[in-house]
Amino acid sequence: GDSVTQMEGPVTLSEEAFLTINCTYTATGYPSLFWYVQYPGEGLQLLLKATKADDKGSNKGFEATYRKETTSFHLEKGSVQVSDSAVYFCALIKAAGNKLTFGGGTRVLVKP
Amino acid sequence: DTEVTQTPKHLVMGMTNKKSLKCEQHMGHRAMYWYKQKAKKPPELMFVYSYEKLSINESVPSRFSPECPNSSLLNLHLHALQPEDSALYLCASSHLMDTQYFGPGTRLTVL
Repeated sequence: GDSVTQMEGPVTLSEEAFLTINCTYTATGYPSLFWYVQYPGEGLQLLLKATKADDKGSNKGFEATYRKETTSFHLEKGSVQVSDSAVYFCALIKAAGNKLTFGGGTRVLVKP
Repeated sequence: DTEVTQTPKHLVMGMTNKKSLKCEQHMGHRAMYWYKQKAKKPPELMFVYSYEKLSINESVPSRFSPECPNSSLLNLHLHALQPEDSALYLCASSHLMDTQYFGPGTRLTVL
């Protein structure tokens, strides 16, 4: 079946550091890929998405590129802030499907 | 506007109580979802409604009863829950087979 694998956290960084969270997936066909962010005590917010190979999703300084050849969708941000401390979930949804498959989540802690 | 609202924000109930969680969206989405999220875990899908009809039930115990009274509203009726049902319950909505947008969740505690 479909699966998403994320690097385990927690990831602890200093403010203004570079952030990378690795995400790889296993799925047949051409899934759409997502990054969601969950701040403490809140629901999930869509951070960015990509729907086909080589698409780059971007939002709030975060970027991720859909790499079909490596089945990856790594999340990056060039300079993190304390307010980026959250749990980040990589997810996929199959074409013509409505079931999200989530990775295990990566907790990120940014220290001043 | 990509807002999904959920009420209540917090709920404490005993094992013999009956309560309901409510979810609302006004984005014209025709698919709505209930998820359960335990601490430090990703959300787990419980139910999916498409055009107000139940299309997916992920083998959820009958003490959870979903209802979709119209295209904007989704309820989750709770009865005779167990302490292990304590979790964050998330509602989401989407156009069919498209990006899902989540609400803020209801934090449920079962005593």
